[in-house]
Amino acid sequence: GAGVSQSPSNKVTEKGKDVELRCDPISGHTALYWYRQSLGQGLEFLIYFQGNSAPDKSGLPSDRFSAERTGGSVSTLTIQRTQQEDSAVYLCASSYTGGRNQPQHFGDGTRLSIL
Amino acid sequence: SQELEQSPQSLIVQEGKNLTINCTSSKTLYGLYWYKQKYGEGLIFLMMLQKGGEEKSHEKITAKLDEKKQQSSLHITASQPSHAGIYLCGAATNSGNTPLVFGKGTRLSVIA
Repeated sequence: GAGVSQSPSNKVTEKGKDVELRCDPISGHTALYWYRQSLGQGLEFLIYFQGNSAPDKSGLPSDRFSAERTGGSVSTLTIQRTQQEDSAVYLCASSYTGGRNQPQHFGDGTRLSIL
Repeated sequence: SQELEQSPQSLIVQEGKNLTINCTSSKTLYGLYWYKQKYGEGLIFLMMLQKGGEEKSHEKITAKLDEKKQQSSLHITASQPSHAGIYLCGAATNSGNTPLVFGKGTRLSVIA
């Protein structure tokens, strides 16, 4: 598609449930990033995929968070046993090569609310 | 870890006025990116600055990078209601492939 597509746009779930968030990057982009945006915290990096390399998971806040990228395209971020502090907007971005001279383009995000 | 501080945190200007937003890094800047965000939407890429002294303009928005000061500024000339939103600066943390570190944003309101 023309831009980064994320689904669902909104997700409300009960504490303790698992959730899956999907990101479809811009066609041809090899780098894919997940960020989280919450009130008072700003935007924080979660995980980064670059081509076939092992992902950079250094930003994941706990082992309840995981992500995969199948076929070098679509990515899924999974949060297991959700907690209220997981409530945030989860943003996905992609860039052509992942280099610092390539801007990252963002989707509209998934607004996650944990009751 | 690298931190980006944006100032001011919020800004209310009258339509037609000029304004400047600053972004200061705690460490060396390897690239500086400006984004705009409206409520409920993702980040819209505005401009990317790579070299010290670099200046870029798009329509009425100009961004500059002062590498020595580890600082960037975003200037809007003759502001319009369409400029309202949250402006975020992001920085590359190293010279290679990298996720970005972001400032907390500047919320701009433009009143008629």
